[in-house]
Amino acid sequence: ETGVTQSPTHLIKTRGQQVTLRCSSQSGHNTVSWYQQALGQGPQFIFQYYREEENGRGNFPPRFSGLQFPNYSSELNVNALELDDSALYLCASSLAGWEVSKTQYFGPGTRLLVL
Amino acid sequence: GQNIDQPTEMTATEGAIVQINCTYQTSGFNGLFWYQQHAGEAPTFLSYNVLDGLEEKGRFSSFLSRSKGYSYLLLKELQMKDSASYLCAVRDSGGGADGLTFGKGTHLIIQP
Repeated sequence: ETGVTQSPTHLIKTRGQQVTLRCSSQSGHNTVSWYQQALGQGPQFIFQYYREEENGRGNFPPRFSGLQFPNYSSELNVNALELDDSALYLCASSLAGWEVSKTQYFGPGTRLLVL
Repeated sequence: GQNIDQPTEMTATEGAIVQINCTYQTSGFNGLFWYQQHAGEAPTFLSYNVLDGLEEKGRFSSFLSRSKGYSYLLLKELQMKDSASYLCAVRDSGGGADGLTFGKGTHLIIQP
């Protein structure tokens, strides 16, 4: 158990809809990263938030957006859903600062199916 | 950009030793991670290397050679529960973000 939680666990949407996924970080962690993992692939970095600001982004379009709240919980929003957005969405929390490794600890993920 | 290569699938026998290799080509480097992922579950952290050499943690060891862009994960005394996907990930050194670039994972099958 990493102490990172995500909701919901599963979700079914139709093409064109919008979705919000939620993540609660491990206690004491101030950084959250979001990843998309398609079946049979490794996770792909979407973006990272630190102190409520986006501080890095992977190769994902602007319809993928996020928020981080003062309590370090986070949201991933995806607009205009496409069939290819079907995947496992993982959030990972870490501690920026003195911890050299800044190891990321993953939540259980939200499995999104777009029909 | 980053490119991470690791074998797609490996098979090993219970009680034996297996080595999973990972090669990477990166524009920057600030650490290499290994994660274990069972089917349908989240990745769990196994090891971290940032300097050359071997890091040992119980039945698991990880090695890094930065000059060769090479790492391996060594699993000893294999157990059936070690059947999982093993993900190699590199953290870029650029900018303020610590996003990881993952390989596609190595699916390890343990046979009795």
